[in-house]
Amino acid sequence: GAGVSQSPRYKVAKRGQDVALRCDPISGHVSLFWYQQALGQGPEFLTYFQNEAQLDKSGLPSDRFFAERPEGSVSTLKIQRTQQEDSAVYLCASTPGGVPKRGGYTFGSGTRLTVV
Amino acid sequence: TQLLEQSPQFLSIQEGENLTVYCNSSSVFSSLQWYRQEPGEGPVLLVTVVTGGEVKKLKRLTFQFGDARKDSSLHITAAQPGDTGLYLCAGAPSGGSNYKLTFGKGTLLTVNP
Repeated sequence: GAGVSQSPRYKVAKRGQDVALRCDPISGHVSLFWYQQALGQGPEFLTYFQNEAQLDKSGLPSDRFFAERPEGSVSTLKIQRTQQEDSAVYLCASTPGGVPKRGGYTFGSGTRLTVV
Repeated sequence: TQLLEQSPQFLSIQEGENLTVYCNSSSVFSSLQWYRQEPGEGPVLLVTVVTGGEVKKLKRLTFQFGDARKDSSLHITAAQPGDTGLYLCAGAPSGGSNYKLTFGKGTLLTVNP
């Protein structure tokens, strides 16, 4: 597609509910990233995929967070037993390969998760 | 952990004024990126600076990377209401984890007509 597409745009979850957030990267982009942006903060790194391989998951806040990209294209970020502190905008970004020296990420519009 | 301090956090100015946003760290970055984010949207890349001392211009926006590659600034000349938005700086670390950007908290700029 023309850009990075994320769905849903908004998600309200009751505390304890599981949620799944979807990211469709730009077609052919090898690298995919998930970031979490809390209200009034800059984005924070969660995880990095190169094709289907998850090369870095050091930013995932807890074992309730799980990400996958089984066929090297679409990715899903799953949060189990959501808690109020999980409320944030979840951003997905992709690049043709790694981070280009003179380039940057192409971000999607994000999914705003509100846990009530 | 590498931290990026952005200042000011909020800035409200009149159309036509000039402004500068600062991004500072005690860490050295291999590159530094500036993004602009509008409400309900993801950040959009404005520029990447790579070389210490580098200056890049994008119409009325001037970006500078510090000589030691620890700090950067964004200067906007004759601001317009369309410049309103959240400006984020993001540093890429040196070494193998250069994909793991560290973002500042952002500067929320409002340009009043």
